[in-house]
Amino acid sequence: AQSVTQLGSHVSVSEGALVLLRCNYSSSVPPYLFWYVQYPNQGLQLLLKYTTGATLVKGINGFEAEFKKSETSFHLTKPSAHMSDAAEYFCAVSPPGTYKYIFGTGTRLKVLA
Amino acid sequence: GAVVSQHPSRVICKSGTSVKIECRSLDFQATTMFWYRQFPKKSLMLMATSNEGSKATYEQGVEKDKFLINHASLTLSTLTVTSAHPEDSSFYICSVTDSRNEKLFFGSGTQLSVL
Repeated sequence: AQSVTQLGSHVSVSEGALVLLRCNYSSSVPPYLFWYVQYPNQGLQLLLKYTTGATLVKGINGFEAEFKKSETSFHLTKPSAHMSDAAEYFCAVSPPGTYKYIFGTGTRLKVLA
Repeated sequence: GAVVSQHPSRVICKSGTSVKIECRSLDFQATTMFWYRQFPKKSLMLMATSNEGSKATYEQGVEKDKFLINHASLTLSTLTVTSAHPEDSSFYICSVTDSRNEKLFFGSGTQLSVL
């Protein structure tokens, strides 16, 4: 069975500092991997995804993530945090060929001025 | 622009009434749609998979008689919360996957409050 673990339900960074949100997964086969962002009272917006190919993927708003198979990780990073990055971030996995997505419990990012 | 349209965005109802939430795929035909439920400060929980022209597939623990799903066309799925009770209050989100299952598009969600 697939599962997703996001370490740290809350992360605070200063504006301009590095953002690192952790995601580890468990899967019997290499899954598709996603990061979504959710702003208050809104649905989720896709930040980036990994399916195949290059393990470092770049997304919107300056975010990127690296798929590390040996570590079963897909951590999300951004070199310099902006106030507008404050939101809830969800990591998700989906086994290829299925339509099921399993979400982590989310990490709330707070950006301090 | 939005790929998925979900209405209403917020609904308040009395206990015992039924509430219908609509989810429309705007950009492409969707044979499969998904309904999620999100509790405060929690992750999304997949409730059911809505299949066009056939019965929905419910996840374990989700009452199919409580949460009725109808996927009558390739662009519309509805979730009806029947005889709603306060414990049904939650944020409900629909989603649509692209044809290659490489991307999940979400609606803007519906905040249901049952008094």
